Amino acid sequence: AQKITQTQPGMFVQEKEAVTLDCTYDTSDPSYGLFWYKQPSSGEMIFLIYQGSYDQQNATEGRYSLNFQKARKSANLVISASQLGDSAMYFCAMREGGTSYDKVIFGPGTSLSVIP
Amino acid sequence: KAGVTQTPRYLIKTRGQQVTLSCSPISGHRSVSWYQQTPGQGLQFLFEYFSETQRNKGNFPGRFSGRQFSNSRSEMNVSTLELGDSALYLCASSFSSSPLHFGNGTRLTVT
Repeated sequence: AQKITQTQPGMFVQEKEAVTLDCTYDTSDPSYGLFWYKQPSSGEMIFLIYQGSYDQQNATEGRYSLNFQKARKSANLVISASQLGDSAMYFCAMREGGTSYDKVIFGPGTSLSVIP
Repeated sequence: KAGVTQTPRYLIKTRGQQVTLSCSPISGHRSVSWYQQTPGQGLQFLFEYFSETQRNKGNFPGRFSGRQFSNSRSEMNVSTLELGDSALYLCASSFSSSPLHFGNGTRLTVT
């Protein structure tokens, strides 16, 4: 069964510093996609970045990058130059290929607090 | 392009009642998924619909049901509400293998 682990319930980072949020996953499907979402206190889920299992390069989107280590089944999110608006819950998620096409499983989340 | 729209934003119901939540996906998106979010259990997958057919289902009791209409709009119904059903219910739509795009959610409180 697929599973997502986020071992950091809460993280603090100084404004303008970089921070890494950890995510490990477990799946036996060779085809899968990994996502990171941000959820501010308002409740909306905001898509940040995507990494496909066959992608050769790490995904980047502005200040967000995904450190994908396939052999370790790790997909850590790196946020560079943290801003106060980055304070939120961050969820790692995975979608397997095949018949579980749109069944996306989420990790427990990491609460990030950016300190001025 | 309008985002995913969920109505209502807030609901207060009494134990034993039933409730229907609505979700309008992004235009062109045919897949709609529903999630329940609680502080204790996190985000849990309820079910996913594509072209009016349920393709995937999570581990929820039969009190939780859904449907999708020909215009891809989806509804979720919870019958015989329990206190533990209090949660944020999130709907998401997607096109092909694109990322899920979420609505703002419906916050259900059961008293």
